[in-house]
Amino acid sequence: EAQVTQNPRYLITVTGKKLTVTCSQNMNHEYMSWYRQDPGLGLRQIYYSMNVEVTDKGDVPEGYKVSRKEKRNFPLILESPSPNQTSLYFCASSFRQFDQPQHFGDGTRLSIL
Amino acid sequence: QKEVEQNSGPLSVPEGAIASLNCTYSDRGSQSFFWYRQYSGKSPELIMFIYSNGDKEDGRFTAQLNKASQYVSLLIRDSQPSDSATYLCAVTHSGSARQLTFGSGTQLTVLP
Repeated sequence: EAQVTQNPRYLITVTGKKLTVTCSQNMNHEYMSWYRQDPGLGLRQIYYSMNVEVTDKGDVPEGYKVSRKEKRNFPLILESPSPNQTSLYFCASSFRQFDQPQHFGDGTRLSIL
Repeated sequence: QKEVEQNSGPLSVPEGAIASLNCTYSDRGSQSFFWYRQYSGKSPELIMFIYSNGDKEDGRFTAQLNKASQYVSLLIRDSQPSDSATYLCAVTHSGSARQLTFGSGTQLTVLP
């Protein structure tokens, strides 16, 4: 089954404790991206990756890091999480660029205390 | 800043009616336009995409694009209670198909 898998689905943690949210897709998609969703603000792009070892900033990259060492994986790293990063996060992938429709993961709800 | 504007609603329509959802965008060079549906607590799912001016129909859904006026709309015919969700408009940035900007969404309720 074609899917985008995120882990964990829920996480409550404290300020400053490094965390990683994993994202994996099994569709051999070149393009992957991370979004955060906040009430009234919609989905905002954090980072995207066009292929292995190629990443770039989206609209709200501050406080986040990503890596793309393998085509299927695109982890999101919060080196020193802060309460303003409390949000619902989605990973998405598509065959090439955004001209192709995206497939979304089920989301990760992060609470930073 | 690329902007995509949607009426947040809520928009309520009776079952069987036509629901009309609208979206305007600021980037005149945008090339690709998407409508996603998001049920509460779930991830967005693509329902329509449109690249050219005019109408595109898929079942009960019709996407309409007018690049000159910089708006894209979604019509849902014969609305069903299962269509109740938030509808997100998304637009690619001009000169780059690598960045996508979403509107904040319109909440639709179809009343039985």
